[in-house]
Amino acid sequence: SQTIHQWPATLVQPVGSPLSLECTVEGTSNPNLYWYRQAAGRGLQLLFYSVGIGQISSEVPQNLSASRPQDRQFILSSKKLLLSDSGFYLCAWSVGGGVTDTQYFGPGTRLTVL
Amino acid sequence: GQQVMQIPQYQHVQEGEDFTTYCNSSTTLSNIQWYKQRPGGHPVFLIQLVKSGEVKKQKRLTFQFGEAKKNSSLHITATQTTDVGTYFCAGSPSGKSTFGDGTTLTVKP
Repeated sequence: SQTIHQWPATLVQPVGSPLSLECTVEGTSNPNLYWYRQAAGRGLQLLFYSVGIGQISSEVPQNLSASRPQDRQFILSSKKLLLSDSGFYLCAWSVGGGVTDTQYFGPGTRLTVL
Repeated sequence: GQQVMQIPQYQHVQEGEDFTTYCNSSTTLSNIQWYKQRPGGHPVFLIQLVKSGEVKKQKRLTFQFGEAKKNSSLHITATQTTDVGTYFCAGSPSGKSTFGDGTTLTVKP
């Protein structure tokens, strides 16, 4: 069966510090991968998605970046965090495209920027 | 771009009352998914609807996909305290899905 891991679970970082969040998927090959951010009490904002190694699409211009160095690894980074980067970061995967686009979410990382 | 709107944003019910959330898209969707996010948790997939007019049931939950494939609803009969959380719809004209902002349900015991 497929599983998705995210770490760390929680993170408190000062403004201006770098960020690296990691997501890995097991039990599937060539998944589509997604990074979302959720502000407190709000909906899901799609940040990046990837359909393959090295292929990243950015949905929202910001000081964040994403990379996919391996088929089942997705990394979210920032060189300098802003206060507005605080939120709940969720990684998700799906298989294929077209009709079947169900997404399966990881446990998330709660980031607080102080 | 495609937008998926959900109403209401919040719903407070007494335990045992029914609950409905609605999802509307500006474009025709190839499919729609529903997710539930418990407080403090992550979204969990509930169901996917693909066909025009489709109706699916999961115990007390009834999901409908409109005839024009532009709207959908989730109805919970006789809510329980375990139903609390935020319910999201996500629509897909093709490829990746667009999420609505969710409806947060609270249930008074």
